[in-house]
Amino acid sequence: DAGVTQSPTHLIKTRGQHVTLRCSPISGHKSVSWYQQVLGQGPQFIFQYYEKEERGRGNFPDRFSARQFPNYSSELNVNALLLGDSALYLCASSFPGRAFFGQGTRLTVV
Amino acid sequence: DAKTTQPNSMESNEEEPVHLPCNHSTISGTDYIHWYRQLPSQGPEYVIHGLTSNVNNRMASLAIAEDRKSSTLILHRATLRDAAVYYCILRDVGGNQFYFGTGTSLTVIP
Repeated sequence: DAGVTQSPTHLIKTRGQHVTLRCSPISGHKSVSWYQQVLGQGPQFIFQYYEKEERGRGNFPDRFSARQFPNYSSELNVNALLLGDSALYLCASSFPGRAFFGQGTRLTVV
Repeated sequence: DAKTTQPNSMESNEEEPVHLPCNHSTISGTDYIHWYRQLPSQGPEYVIHGLTSNVNNRMASLAIAEDRKSSTLILHRATLRDAAVYYCILRDVGGNQFYFGTGTSLTVIP
């Protein structure tokens, strides 16, 4: 079985640009969550989606948005990128009570 | 989101048992205790979880205090591949959102 897949694996963007990150959950998993991990810190919860509906949102500005598609894949969008948005962005799909994380997308904002 | 407290770092000799402590004094009756670990350049990986009783699986054991205000992750024989950051997380029974702390960085000495 394929695990959680994220694309791209690495990305370099300029301040002010927009970025879209993609995630495909494990087959059969209907819940997808997004996390931001800044170097040296634990992952911080951004969003959770279940059956295409937002079920939770962390303490992140409105520049961050996400959506989930009918096939349960998901996109995380970040507008007006700041240098501080440089981080590893992790996607997790969940089966009741347990999360499975992807390898992440390393975003560098210059 | 209930908080957990863990030591920043610990060391262990290879092939010896490791006990990783976690304090969660504000835990509620519906919070599960989860442990994840993150190897360098990878997404977090599930280790074990429990509610009230001690739990064992092929990776580790979880010992939960009777008052549930603390728990201990036990690696029975540390290997070099166990060197990682270990996160203790509380998850509400109805949620799929994980709130990570800074975790414990485990170093395994050959």
